[in-house]
Amino acid sequence: EVQLVETGGGLVQPGRSLKLSCVASGFTFNNYWMSWTRQAPGKGLEWVASITNSGGSTYYPDSVKGRFTISRDNAQNTLYLQMNSLRSEDTATYYCTRDYPGITPFDYWGQGVMVTVSS
Amino acid sequence: DVVMTQTPVSLSVSLGGQVSISCRSSQSLVHNNGNTYLSWYLQKPGQSPQLLIYKVSNRFSGISDRFSGSGSGTDFTLKISRVEPDDLGVYYCGQGTQYRTFGGGTKLELK
Repeated sequence: EVQLVETGGGLVQPGRSLKLSCVASGFTFNNYWMSWTRQAPGKGLEWVASITNSGGSTYYPDSVKGRFTISRDNAQNTLYLQMNSLRSEDTATYYCTRDYPGITPFDYWGQGVMVTVSS
Repeated sequence: DVVMTQTPVSLSVSLGGQVSISCRSSQSLVHNNGNTYLSWYLQKPGQSPQLLIYKVSNRFSGISDRFSGSGSGTDFTLKISRVEPDDLGVYYCGQGTQYRTFGGGTKLELK
């Protein structure tokens, strides 16, 4: 059974940093691209970052480019999201998601972790 | 950037009825490899989203055949037949052809 478990959320002040982690199990982690997607309270879904299975390439939308960094440790089956210079508009539930190469993005989702940016 | 536009924003349905949700992209979703990476997701109340349909019309593992997807290029449709209580929630279309973007969502409620 595919499982994605996110940790690391919480309350952080504007301008500060936070790092999210996602531990994956139930599949061969280094065969899959991985992504982060977020959802602000009461709002829709927004893709945040993706990383290739090797970790050699990463992709971001303009809204987080230069502030967020996605990375992975294939030996530990763990995905990360380093978030710097946080803003109030980054307040959201962050989901770790798996991409099935050549088939579909986001075939499995974690339960999500809440990040609140507020002074 | 590819903009995904879903209509309607909300939909009321009677149990056992049928509904359609439309999703339009600002540019063609046909990838260089010939595939069209258009997916549909359902987010039930209080839950994470789940994949229903991928590559326009393929049902994900365990998804009922009451859900069907169709379309091509820039226009896509999700149909749900014989609506059940467990189908209620917010439906999102999403594209994976050029990076990733989602539609704004369609809330399905009981009439």
